[in-house]
Amino acid sequence: SYELSQPPSLSVLPGQTASLTCSGDKLGEKFVCWYQQRPGQSPVLVIYQDQKRPSGTPGRFSGSNSGDTATLTISETQALDEGVYYCQTWDSATDVVFGGGTKLTVL
Amino acid sequence: EVHLVESGGALGQPGGSLRLSCAASGFTFSTTEMNWVRQTPEKGLEWIAYINSGGGNIHYAASVKGRFTISRDNAKNSLFLQMNSLRAEDTAIYYCASGTNYFEDWGQGTRVAVSS
Repeated sequence: SYELSQPPSLSVLPGQTASLTCSGDKLGEKFVCWYQQRPGQSPVLVIYQDQKRPSGTPGRFSGSNSGDTATLTISETQALDEGVYYCQTWDSATDVVFGGGTKLTVL
Repeated sequence: EVHLVESGGALGQPGGSLRLSCAASGFTFSTTEMNWVRQTPEKGLEWIAYINSGGGNIHYAASVKGRFTISRDNAKNSLFLQMNSLRAEDTAIYYCASGTNYFEDWGQGTRVAVSS
C-alpha cells in the first residue's frame, strides 16, 4: 500500500519560515493537499492540488510538489499557525492516503 | 456557511452495530460528494468511505469493506454510516467530510468506542 511520511515535529520562531515536508514514492506524479488541525478541532483544508489555496487560507501558506516530496511552506509563521499538519494524496490504485502528521510548534 | 454535524457516536460492543448520521447545511448537499474519515491517536487520519452525489458510486477502505455501509438521503440533507461487526480497532472519532479526492469541509466529529 502507498505510504506518506512526515516528520513528527517541527519548531520555528515567530516570523520565521516553516517548511513541512511529505514524502512518498513518485509523489510528484500525484496531487497533494494539506490540512491544519488545531488542538481539539477538526482538520481544515489549507492547500489542495499541490499549491491552490481555499478561500480563507492566508497567503502566507504555499505548497509545492516534485519528485518524491511535497512541501507546505508557511511564511512569517505566527502563533496561531500551531497545530498538526497532515498531507494527503489519492489515486485510483491507492484511494485516499494521509501522512502521519507533523506537529508545528511556534516557540 | 457550511455546517456538517455528526451524531450517533456511542459505546458499542464488539460484534455489534452503530449508525452514524451527518446533517448538512449551508451548501447544495444533493450535488456534493461526501465521505467518512476517522481519526485515532495511533493511526491518525483514515479515509473509510466515499459516496457520490447521487449515491450510485460508493467506495470503501479495505479496513471496513463488508462491515460498514455509507448512504445518503438528499431530500433530508443527510449522510449515514451503518457500522456492523464492530471491532476494537474501530474506536475513533468519525468525521463526515465533503469533497472528492480531498476534503473541503469537515464536521466536528462524533466519538465511537468499541469495548465489552
